[in-house]
Amino acid sequence: AQSVTQLGSHVSVSEGALVLLRCNYSSSVPPYLFWYVQYPNQGLQLLLKYTSAATLVKGINGFEAEFKKSETSFHLTKPSAHMSDAAEYFCAVSDPAGNNRKLIWGLGTSLAVNP
Amino acid sequence: DGGITQSPKYLFRKEGQNVTLSCEQNLNHDAMYWYRQDPGQGLRLIYYSQIVNDFQKGDIAEGYSVSREKKESFPLTVTSAQKNPTAFYLCASSNQRGSAGANVLTFGAGSRLTVL
Repeated sequence: AQSVTQLGSHVSVSEGALVLLRCNYSSSVPPYLFWYVQYPNQGLQLLLKYTSAATLVKGINGFEAEFKKSETSFHLTKPSAHMSDAAEYFCAVSDPAGNNRKLIWGLGTSLAVNP
Repeated sequence: DGGITQSPKYLFRKEGQNVTLSCEQNLNHDAMYWYRQDPGQGLRLIYYSQIVNDFQKGDIAEGYSVSREKKESFPLTVTSAQKNPTAFYLCASSNQRGSAGANVLTFGAGSRLTVL
């Protein structure tokens, strides 16, 4: 069975500092992995996705994530945080059969950016 | 612009009342989904539909009902049988005809239901 663990329900960084949001997964088959962002009282928006091509995936708003099979991780990073990055971030995993019914969500990490 | 429209954005309900949340998409997506979001619990799937006139229960379907009479529309009814309905409800859609396994969910802005 697949599962997703996001380490740290709340992360706080200073403006301009590195952002690192952690996501570990378990899967019996090579997974597809996603990061979504949710701003307050809004829906979710895709940041980036890994679908077994390049292990380093670049997304929108300067975010990127690296798939590390040996560590079963897909951590999200951004070199320099902006105030506008304050939001909830969700990691999700699905099997390559493409059934979104089996999309497994992490519990989310709330990112605060301090001036 | 294509997207998903959810209405109402805020809804208040008295105990014992059924309420229906609207979800309309103009993306020509085949699949549609309803999720419930509670603080600290991530997203939980209520119902999903992969094609018109067909839908399946998700992980927490009890106390909810849906219909899929049109490709564009997937309304969710929260019935009086749902004992703890106060939550943020998210509708999403995806194109199942994309590359296998890479389907991305497009979300609406959500509806916040509060039971008084």
